[in-house]
Amino acid sequence: AQSVTQPDIHITVSEGASLELRCNYSYGATPYLFWYVQSPGQGLQLLLKYFSGDTLVQGIKGFEAEFKRSQSSFNLRKPSVHWSDAAEYFCAWMDSSYKLIFGSGTRLLVRP
Amino acid sequence: EAGVVQSPRYKIIEKKQPVAFWCNPISGHNTLYWYRQNLGQGPELLIRYENEEAVDDSQLPKDRFSAERLKGVDSTLKIQPAELGDSAVYLCASSLVETQYFGPGTRLTVL
Repeated sequence: AQSVTQPDIHITVSEGASLELRCNYSYGATPYLFWYVQSPGQGLQLLLKYFSGDTLVQGIKGFEAEFKRSQSSFNLRKPSVHWSDAAEYFCAWMDSSYKLIFGSGTRLLVRP
Repeated sequence: EAGVVQSPRYKIIEKKQPVAFWCNPISGHNTLYWYRQNLGQGPELLIRYENEEAVDDSQLPKDRFSAERLKGVDSTLKIQPAELGDSAVYLCASSLVETQYFGPGTRLTVL
């Protein structure tokens, strides 16, 4: 079965430090991949998406992600984290019926 | 432009009671989704509508859950009767093509 794995349940970084959140998917064909962010009590906000083309995609709030087919990965990065980035981050893959398959999420904590 | 609107934001009920959630998608979005998000997990699709038609309801527990989108715009998701395990956040999303936009969700607590 198709799946999305986010191996890190929690990550803590210091404000101003760089960030990388890992995401791996199990699927053969070129996937549609997404990163969403969820703040407490809020819905999911789209950060960025990859459908095809350039494997490095830019998103909102200074985030970027790189699609690596050889590693079945779509890791999210940010060069300098702000305290307001503390939230839960979800990686998702879209199947052929437009259903999003989500990972279990990574909670980001930011140290002052 | 207004986003996806959901109500209520929070609902607390006793088990065996009925409950309903309402969603109004982004204007012009013909595809509407209902997801359930259990604590500490990612959302899971319950049902997808294309206009008025439910095109994927394979994950909807049909013995107690029902949904409708009568005029192809807003939608209602109902649980009757609710069970303790139904406590979760119920998210509505809409899309024009591939990208789905989510509402704030309804947090349901079943006591």
